[in-house]
Amino acid sequence: NAGVMQNPRHLVRRRGQEARLRCSPMKGHSHVYWYRQLPEEGLKFMVYLQKENIIDESGMPKERFSAEFPKEGPSILRIQQVVRGDSAAYFCASSPSTKTEKLFFGSGTQLSVL
Amino acid sequence: GDSVTQMEGPVTLSEEAFLTINCTYTATGYPSLFWYVQYPGEGLQLLLKATKADDKGSNKGFEATYRKETTSFHLEKGSVQVSDSAVYFCALSDQGYSTLTFGKGTMLLVSP
Repeated sequence: NAGVMQNPRHLVRRRGQEARLRCSPMKGHSHVYWYRQLPEEGLKFMVYLQKENIIDESGMPKERFSAEFPKEGPSILRIQQVVRGDSAAYFCASSPSTKTEKLFFGSGTQLSVL
Repeated sequence: GDSVTQMEGPVTLSEEAFLTINCTYTATGYPSLFWYVQYPGEGLQLLLKATKADDKGSNKGFEATYRKETTSFHLEKGSVQVSDSAVYFCALSDQGYSTLTFGKGTMLLVSP
């Protein structure tokens, strides 16, 4: 049973470009969470999705950021018109339920904005 | 809002030394508390947890006790190994679902 898969591992974008980060949850998991880790900071919750629904996006910046988890395919975190301050590690986690002990994390995507 | 504070790293120890990584929290309710570990190049893994006051979580020789009176959840291990070298994150969950509030992480380096 493969773990949570994130790709790419490293993503380099110039200011103003779009970044798309993908997360394939573990098989059988219908809950997906995105976290961001800025340099010298802990992981910060961004958004919680279930299939085709956004449950909690209280940690998402109001502009330029969006997330989806379609019926088929991976969850996508999309950042439009990236700025240098978006440079961070983005982690995805999945679970089969709302129980935290069943939460599994991916290895993350390191986004660098030039 | 909720917050987690953990000691700054890196913590550098020799093999078989005693480990303590301090963690304190602020929460409005009665949170569950967690320690996660991240080995190089990998995602975070749940190390141990405690869901109520005075609970002790333990796994792989690591222990942490939920201390409500001091709002702390310090991680300890009696004898560390080189393979324990990793980044350790203290976290809490104060919601009805798996939304975690993390500390900044503490890097542990164990030398032979």
